[in-house]
Amino acid sequence: ETGVTQTPRHLVMGMTNKKSLKCEQHLGHNAMYWYKQSAKKPLELMFVYSLEERVENNSVPSRFSPECPNSSHLFLHLHTLQPEDSALYLCASSQGQGVNSPLHFGNGTRLTVT
Amino acid sequence: EDQVTQSPEALRLQEGESSSLNCSYTVSGLRGLFWYRQDPGKGPEFLFTLYSAGEEKEKERLKATLTKKESFLHITAPKPEDSATYLCALGTSGSRLTFGEGTQLTVNP
Repeated sequence: ETGVTQTPRHLVMGMTNKKSLKCEQHLGHNAMYWYKQSAKKPLELMFVYSLEERVENNSVPSRFSPECPNSSHLFLHLHTLQPEDSALYLCASSQGQGVNSPLHFGNGTRLTVT
Repeated sequence: EDQVTQSPEALRLQEGESSSLNCSYTVSGLRGLFWYRQDPGKGPEFLFTLYSAGEEKEKERLKATLTKKESFLHITAPKPEDSATYLCALGTSGSRLTFGEGTQLTVNP
Protein backbone atom coordinates (compact mmCIF):
# COMPACT_ATOMS: atom_id res chain seq x y z
CA GLU A 1 0.00 0.00 0.00
CA THR A 2 1.22 3.45 -0.82
CA GLY A 3 -0.13 6.94 -0.25
CA VAL A 4 -3.13 7.70 1.92
CA THR A 5 -5.84 5.06 2.31
CA GLN A 6 -9.32 5.75 3.66
CA THR A 7 -11.97 3.24 4.69
CA PRO A 8 -14.78 2.76 4.15
CA ARG A 9 -15.21 4.41 0.75
CA HIS A 10 -18.95 4.77 1.28
CA LEU A 11 -21.00 4.90 4.49
CA VAL A 12 -24.72 5.30 5.07
CA MET A 13 -25.78 5.87 8.64
CA GLY A 14 -28.84 6.91 10.57
CA MET A 15 -28.82 9.89 12.86
CA THR A 16 -28.64 7.71 15.96
CA ASN A 17 -25.77 5.49 14.78
CA LYS A 18 -22.14 5.58 15.84
CA LYS A 19 -19.51 4.91 13.21
CA SER A 20 -15.83 5.61 12.59
CA LEU A 21 -13.84 6.62 9.55
CA LYS A 22 -10.29 5.35 9.23
CA CYS A 23 -7.27 6.84 7.52
CA GLU A 24 -3.80 5.34 7.12
CA GLN A 25 -0.81 6.98 5.49
CA HIS A 26 2.22 5.10 4.17
CA LEU A 27 4.31 8.18 3.34
CA GLY A 28 6.19 8.58 6.61
CA HIS A 29 4.54 11.96 7.22
CA ASN A 30 4.13 13.47 10.67
CA ALA A 31 0.99 15.59 10.20
CA MET A 32 -2.51 14.41 9.39
CA TYR A 33 -5.73 16.26 8.59
CA TRP A 34 -9.47 15.81 8.23
CA TYR A 35 -11.29 17.89 5.62
CA LYS A 36 -14.98 18.05 4.72
CA GLN A 37 -16.02 18.52 1.09
CA SER A 38 -19.67 19.37 0.44
CA ALA A 39 -21.23 19.91 -2.96
CA LYS A 40 -20.60 23.38 -4.38
CA LYS A 41 -18.56 24.41 -1.32
CA PRO A 42 -14.82 24.74 -0.77
CA LEU A 43 -12.93 22.15 1.24
CA GLU A 44 -13.28 22.88 4.94
CA LEU A 45 -10.50 22.05 7.37
CA MET A 46 -11.81 20.16 10.39
CA PHE A 47 -8.83 18.91 12.41
CA VAL A 48 -5.05 18.90 12.26
CA TYR A 49 -2.72 16.54 14.10
CA SER A 50 1.01 17.09 14.25
CA LEU A 51 3.19 14.44 15.87
CA GLU A 52 -0.02 12.83 17.16
CA GLU A 53 -1.12 15.96 19.01
CA ARG A 54 -4.17 17.92 17.91
CA VAL A 55 -2.99 21.36 16.87
CA GLU A 56 -6.15 22.68 15.29
CA ASN A 57 -9.86 22.18 15.82
CA ASN A 58 -11.72 24.37 13.39
CA SER A 59 -14.96 24.93 15.37
CA VAL A 60 -16.24 21.48 14.51
CA PRO A 61 -19.36 20.20 16.35
CA SER A 62 -18.68 17.72 19.12
CA ARG A 63 -20.54 14.99 17.24
CA PHE A 64 -17.27 14.65 15.30
CA SER A 65 -14.44 13.26 17.43
CA PRO A 66 -10.96 12.70 15.99
CA GLU A 67 -8.34 10.29 17.25
CA CYS A 68 -4.71 9.94 16.21
CA PRO A 69 -3.12 6.93 17.96
CA ASN A 70 0.15 7.21 16.01
CA SER A 71 1.62 9.18 13.12
CA SER A 72 0.31 6.74 10.51
CA HIS A 73 -3.32 6.41 11.60
CA LEU A 74 -6.18 8.86 11.99
CA PHE A 75 -9.79 8.19 12.90
CA LEU A 76 -12.93 10.28 12.85
CA HIS A 77 -15.59 9.01 15.24
CA LEU A 78 -19.14 9.98 14.34
CA HIS A 79 -22.25 10.00 16.54
CA THR A 80 -25.73 11.52 16.38
CA LEU A 81 -25.03 13.15 13.03
CA GLN A 82 -27.41 15.39 11.12
CA PRO A 83 -28.43 15.09 7.46
CA GLU A 84 -26.38 18.23 6.67
CA ASP A 85 -23.28 16.29 7.70
CA SER A 86 -23.60 14.25 4.50
CA ALA A 87 -20.44 14.99 2.51
CA LEU A 88 -17.13 13.61 1.30
CA TYR A 89 -14.67 13.36 4.19
CA LEU A 90 -11.07 13.58 3.10
CA CYS A 91 -7.98 12.65 5.04
CA ALA A 92 -4.62 14.17 4.16
CA SER A 93 -1.06 14.00 5.38
CA SER A 94 2.08 16.10 5.05
CA GLN A 95 5.67 16.14 6.23
CA GLY A 96 5.63 19.04 8.62
CA GLN A 97 3.21 21.91 8.22
CA GLY A 98 3.25 25.06 6.18
CA VAL A 99 3.59 25.95 2.56
CA ASN A 100 6.65 23.84 1.90
CA SER A 101 4.68 20.72 2.76
CA PRO A 102 1.93 20.04 0.22
CA LEU A 103 -0.93 17.88 1.35
CA HIS A 104 -1.38 14.34 0.08
CA PHE A 105 -5.04 13.34 0.11
CA GLY A 106 -6.81 10.03 0.32
CA ASN A 107 -9.80 9.28 -1.90
CA GLY A 108 -12.28 10.06 0.84
CA THR A 109 -15.28 8.48 2.52
CA ARG A 110 -18.63 9.42 1.00
CA LEU A 111 -20.95 9.77 4.02
CA THR A 112 -24.72 9.83 3.75
CA VAL A 113 -26.76 10.54 6.89
CA THR A 114 -30.39 9.46 6.67
CA GLU B 1 -10.40 37.76 5.94
CA ASP B 2 -8.57 35.63 3.39
CA GLN B 3 -10.66 34.92 0.31
CA VAL B 4 -10.15 32.99 -2.88
CA THR B 5 -12.46 32.97 -5.90
CA GLN B 6 -12.09 30.68 -8.88
CA SER B 7 -13.52 31.29 -12.32
CA PRO B 8 -15.13 30.08 -14.38
CA GLU B 9 -17.14 27.60 -12.34
CA ALA B 10 -17.17 25.22 -15.31
CA LEU B 11 -15.32 25.19 -18.63
CA ARG B 12 -15.83 23.02 -21.68
CA LEU B 13 -13.05 22.82 -24.27
CA GLN B 14 -12.44 20.90 -27.42
CA GLU B 15 -9.31 18.78 -27.50
CA GLY B 16 -6.41 21.03 -28.47
CA GLU B 17 -8.22 24.26 -27.52
CA SER B 18 -5.96 26.11 -25.07
CA SER B 19 -7.42 28.19 -22.25
CA SER B 20 -6.81 29.49 -18.73
CA LEU B 21 -8.40 29.07 -15.33
CA ASN B 22 -8.37 31.96 -12.87
CA CYS B 23 -7.85 32.09 -9.12
CA SER B 24 -8.29 35.56 -7.60
CA TYR B 25 -7.38 36.14 -3.99
CA THR B 26 -7.19 38.60 -1.13
CA VAL B 27 -4.92 37.72 1.74
CA SER B 28 -3.09 39.53 4.51
CA GLY B 29 0.09 37.50 4.18
CA LEU B 30 0.47 35.04 1.34
CA ARG B 31 2.95 32.30 2.04
CA GLY B 32 2.06 30.19 -0.94
CA LEU B 33 -0.60 29.44 -3.51
CA PHE B 34 -1.39 25.84 -4.33
CA TRP B 35 -3.03 24.18 -7.32
CA TYR B 36 -4.63 20.75 -7.01
CA ARG B 37 -6.41 18.51 -9.48
CA GLN B 38 -9.38 16.39 -8.37
CA ASP B 39 -10.84 13.57 -10.44
CA PRO B 40 -14.39 12.31 -9.75
CA GLY B 41 -14.46 9.94 -6.79
CA LYS B 42 -10.90 10.77 -5.77
CA GLY B 43 -9.08 13.11 -3.45
CA PRO B 44 -7.23 16.19 -4.67
CA GLU B 45 -3.79 15.61 -6.21
CA PHE B 46 -1.07 18.21 -5.70
CA LEU B 47 0.14 20.02 -8.81
CA PHE B 48 2.08 23.20 -7.93
CA THR B 49 3.05 25.64 -5.21
CA LEU B 50 3.81 29.25 -6.15
CA TYR B 51 5.44 31.49 -3.57
CA SER B 52 5.84 34.97 -5.04
CA ALA B 53 4.52 37.21 -7.77
CA GLY B 54 6.15 36.52 -11.11
CA GLU B 55 6.81 32.89 -10.39
CA GLU B 56 5.81 30.27 -12.97
CA LYS B 57 5.78 26.49 -12.86
CA GLU B 58 5.06 23.94 -15.57
CA LYS B 59 4.04 20.32 -15.72
CA GLU B 60 3.24 18.71 -19.05
CA ARG B 61 0.41 20.79 -20.60
CA LEU B 62 -0.13 22.88 -17.47
CA LYS B 63 1.55 26.14 -16.52
CA ALA B 64 0.74 28.06 -13.35
CA THR B 65 1.53 31.75 -12.92
CA LEU B 66 1.16 34.14 -9.99
CA THR B 67 0.61 37.88 -9.60
CA LYS B 68 -0.12 39.86 -6.45
CA LYS B 69 -3.86 39.43 -6.93
CA GLU B 70 -4.41 36.27 -8.93
CA SER B 71 -3.05 33.05 -10.29
CA PHE B 72 -3.70 31.47 -13.66
CA LEU B 73 -3.55 27.85 -14.65
CA HIS B 74 -2.89 27.76 -18.38
CA ILE B 75 -3.75 24.57 -20.22
CA THR B 76 -2.07 24.19 -23.61
CA ALA B 77 -3.57 21.83 -26.19
CA PRO B 78 -5.62 19.94 -23.61
CA LYS B 79 -6.54 16.28 -23.94
CA PRO B 80 -9.64 14.48 -22.61
CA GLU B 81 -7.57 13.08 -19.75
CA ASP B 82 -7.08 16.64 -18.48
CA SER B 83 -10.78 16.69 -17.56
CA ALA B 84 -11.04 17.20 -13.80
CA THR B 85 -11.86 19.81 -11.19
CA TYR B 86 -8.96 22.16 -10.55
CA LEU B 87 -8.69 23.67 -7.08
CA CYS B 88 -6.55 26.54 -5.89
CA ALA B 89 -5.75 27.19 -2.25
CA LEU B 90 -4.04 29.94 -0.26
CA GLY B 91 -1.43 29.05 2.31
CA THR B 92 -1.31 31.67 5.03
CA SER B 93 -0.23 30.56 8.48
CA GLY B 94 0.76 27.18 9.82
CA SER B 95 -1.19 24.35 8.29
CA ARG B 96 -4.23 26.34 7.26
CA LEU B 97 -5.21 26.36 3.59
CA THR B 98 -8.12 28.37 2.22
CA PHE B 99 -9.55 26.56 -0.80
CA GLY B 100 -11.57 27.94 -3.68
CA GLU B 101 -14.68 26.21 -4.98
CA GLY B 102 -12.86 24.87 -8.02
CA THR B 103 -13.24 24.96 -11.80
CA GLN B 104 -14.71 21.87 -13.41
CA LEU B 105 -12.91 21.35 -16.72
CA THR B 106 -14.29 19.09 -19.45
CA VAL B 107 -12.22 18.41 -22.56
CA ASN B 108 -14.16 16.84 -25.39
CA PRO B 109 -12.41 14.64 -27.98
